Amino acid sequence: SAVISQKPSRDICQRGTSLTIQCQVDSQVTMMFWYRQQPGQSLTLIATANQGSEATYESGFVIDKFPISRPNLTFSTLTVSNMSPEDSSIYLCSVEPGTANYGYTFGSGTRLTVV
Amino acid sequence: GIQVEQSPPDLILQEGANSTLRCNFSDSVNNLQWFHQNPWGQLINLFYIPSGTKQNGRLSATTVATERYSLLYISSSQTTDSGVYFCAVRAGGTSYGKLTFGQGTILTVHP
Repeated sequence: SAVISQKPSRDICQRGTSLTIQCQVDSQVTMMFWYRQQPGQSLTLIATANQGSEATYESGFVIDKFPISRPNLTFSTLTVSNMSPEDSSIYLCSVEPGTANYGYTFGSGTRLTVV
Repeated sequence: GIQVEQSPPDLILQEGANSTLRCNFSDSVNNLQWFHQNPWGQLINLFYIPSGTKQNGRLSATTVATERYSLLYISSSQTTDSGVYFCAVRAGGTSYGKLTFGQGTILTVHP
């Protein structure tokens, strides 16, 4: 299965600023996914990122707030823009199974606190 | 879209007890995974189990795809089993796409 390196692991940011989260995968993958987990909640998909095309956003998420880059098949970034305390969450990236019998792999997550 | 329901929402056990967690889903799936989220927020993949039965040490899982449910069994629980357990599925009919997560079961194991 793929190994994902996600950073930063945590950050405390001032409201109104932006944070960029990076995910590096040790193999080429077609699709990468970005999830948000608000405190005490489950994971919700923000967007799907394919290399060479615009990301596809889920209902309730917009590109101006969560711009995503996917410059190649092993790397993606998610930016949380103009942050407010409501953006305090864990953000995780994920990739599809590289083999048929393993399942999706997740990065270790970024714990963001906005003050 | 597909709906995923997990039960119970909370579970408190004494060390050594056994438990069963349930995941119901509303449509056919071609991917089902059980995850354990540790206190640091990391998601640990426990099982990839769209159908059938698997075992890994004290943990086992069964998915009955025709009846749209999956069960996660934890035997001889330990305090390190504490955390949140998530079931996540990918709807059938596509070989790619997102996972949809249930709301999770919060497991607390007391010594």
